[in-house]
Formats: sequence, structure tokens, C-alpha cells
Amino acid sequence: GQNIDQPTEMTATEGAIVQINCTYQTSGFNGLFWYQQHAGEAPTFLSYNVLDGLEEKGRFSSFLSRSKGYSYLLLKELQMKDSASYLCAVTDSNYQLIWGAGTKLIIKP
Amino acid sequence: GAVVSQHPSRVICKSGTSVKIECRSLDFQATTMFWYRQFPKKSLMLMATSNEGSKATYEQGVEKDKFLINHASLTLSTLTVTSAHPEDSSFYICSARAGGPEVGEQFFGPGTRLTVL
Repeated sequence: GQNIDQPTEMTATEGAIVQINCTYQTSGFNGLFWYQQHAGEAPTFLSYNVLDGLEEKGRFSSFLSRSKGYSYLLLKELQMKDSASYLCAVTDSNYQLIWGAGTKLIIKP
Repeated sequence: GAVVSQHPSRVICKSGTSVKIECRSLDFQATTMFWYRQFPKKSLMLMATSNEGSKATYEQGVEKDKFLINHASLTLSTLTVTSAHPEDSSFYICSARAGGPEVGEQFFGPGTRLTVL
């Protein structure tokens, strides 16, 4: 079966750095997405990785290793507004988007 | 960036009534639209995929006669929850994709919170 694993919840301190991991087992791979979702709102796009390596976009970076079926989202200089759920999603060989359950990130002052 | 709107944002209805939710791509043509539902503290669950002008493809376990989807144009898809019951109360989110499946990225609407009394 297809599966995406990410931690349920993480806590970090304002101003610090946090890394959210995502591992996947899917039938084929055509890209990995990270989305941010605040409570009661729809997801918003953060990043897309299809090749191995690190993609940096401001305070957020995303890394992919296809051979390991692994990705992480790195958030730097954490702000209180970064408190949200972070969803990892993988596009399989049929271009179907498989969603992880999300990681709830709690930022403490 | 691509903008997707949903209407209404929140609806409360009595059990047995039908509710229609609209999803519009405002600044691009959406060849494919997706409908998701999300229960509290749970992940997104894909309900169906619809392509303009053709019948929607429903995920396993989703009743197509209960959740009617119409994708009549490249900018509008509607989801009608027929004879809604309290267990249908959920957060319904649509998304739209501008190109073919290789494009990947989906743009999400703001969601509709449905409460069935």
C-alpha cells in the first residue's frame, strides 16, 4: 500500500530552527509537496521537490532524497505565525496526490 | 498567483436538506478540480476528481449519489451534498489544477465548513 509518515506533533521555540521529516512508500514518484495549513483554513503551497537536494525559499527549505524515500521541511527563525500543520504530499506514478496526516507545529515564545 | 474561491465559507443546515458548494478558479482555467473533506485533526481525504465536461471519478467509499459533482466549465465545479446528515458535517475543500497531471501543483480554495443539525 501507499504510505506517508510524518510526526504528529512538534514543539519549538520562537526564533529557533525546526526540521519536520517525512518518509514515504508509494507506487512510483513524481514529486513531493509541502503545504502549510492553519487551523480552520485550507492548505497553502510551500514547496515542491522532484529532484534530490535542497530547495531554499526564504525561511523555509525543503530537502528530498528519492533513494531513501525521505524529505524534510526546515523552518528557520521561527515566528509565532508559523504555528500550523505542515502536510507532506507525494505524487505517485499515476500522478495521484497521496497526503500525509500532517505535523502540528506548536511555537512557544 | 492562482486563486481559487469557494462559496459559501460556512453553512449550517437541517438534516435532510441539500447543500451546494461552489468552487471557482478566478484567474486560470482549471482542467481538473478536486474535492476533499477533512475531519478535525485529520488529514485531507480526497473524495473525487472532476475534469471539465466529464463525469467525476469518485474515491472508494464515497457515495456518488450523495455527493453530486458538476464540473460544467473550466472555472467552476460544484459539490452538492444531498440529504445531508450530521455525520456529513465536515470541512470541504476544493482544489484546482491548471494543466495536466504532470503539473502536479493544486491550488486550494479557502474551504467550506458544513454543519448539519
